[in-house]
Amino acid sequence: ETGVTQTPRHLVMGMTNKKSLKCEQHLGHNAMYWYKQSAKKPLELMFVYNFKEQTENNSVPSRFSPECPNSSHLFLHLHTLQPEDSALYLCASSRDTLNTEAFFGQGTRLTVV
Amino acid sequence: QKEVEQNSGPLSVPEGAIASLNCTYSDRGSQSFFWYRQYSGKSPELIMSIYSNGDKEDGRFTAQLNKASQYVSLLIRDSQPSDSATYLCAVSSGGYQKVTFGIGTKLQVIP
Repeated sequence: ETGVTQTPRHLVMGMTNKKSLKCEQHLGHNAMYWYKQSAKKPLELMFVYNFKEQTENNSVPSRFSPECPNSSHLFLHLHTLQPEDSALYLCASSRDTLNTEAFFGQGTRLTVV
Repeated sequence: QKEVEQNSGPLSVPEGAIASLNCTYSDRGSQSFFWYRQYSGKSPELIMSIYSNGDKEDGRFTAQLNKASQYVSLLIRDSQPSDSATYLCAVSSGGYQKVTFGIGTKLQVIP
C-alpha cells in the first residue's frame, strides 16, 4: 500500500511516440520528485517541485518535460526518447524539501524501442 | 561531485544472523541520512532515517552514524529471508532535493 500512485506501471513506446507518466500523492505533501533508476546505477534525481514550483532540474534532456498542476499531481511528458532512456521512473513526495523523508510510488517501467 | 559509496554485494548471511550494511559519503556537510529497502521489481521503501551521531534503533533495525568518519551503517538483527532485498543508502546535505543515493547493497538471507 502506498500513498503515492503512479500510472501506467509499464509502458513500451517507440522513439517517435509521445506519452505521459502520471503520479498522484494522497499524503498531503508539498514536494514531489521524479527519479530515474537504471540497472546498476544509483537513483538519479530528475526534477523537484515544491508547492507546484519547479526548484530543481538536474540537467535533464528536454525530451523529458515535467508538469505539476497542483501539489498532489505530477506528470512527466515524454517525446522522441532514446533506447537508453529505458528505465524505471519513480515518483516520490515529501512534506517539504527540508530534510524530510520521501515516499516513493511503485514506478513506471519504461521501455523505448 | 558528491558521492555515496556502497558495496553492491550480494551480501549473504544465514537466517538469524546479523546483517551489517555499510555506506560512506564524501560530503562533510551532509546532515540527513536514510536507508531504503527495495525488493526486486518494487519501489524503494524508507526504513530508517538518522540525523545525529550514534545509534538509532527501530525493531530489528539499527542505524549507526559517524560523521567524523563519514560513514553510516544499517544492522539487521535476526535476519529473515523476507529481509532479502537491495538496501539503498541516501545522504542529504541540504534538503531532500539535495539527496544523493548509493547504488545499493543486495542482501540475501539464506534459510
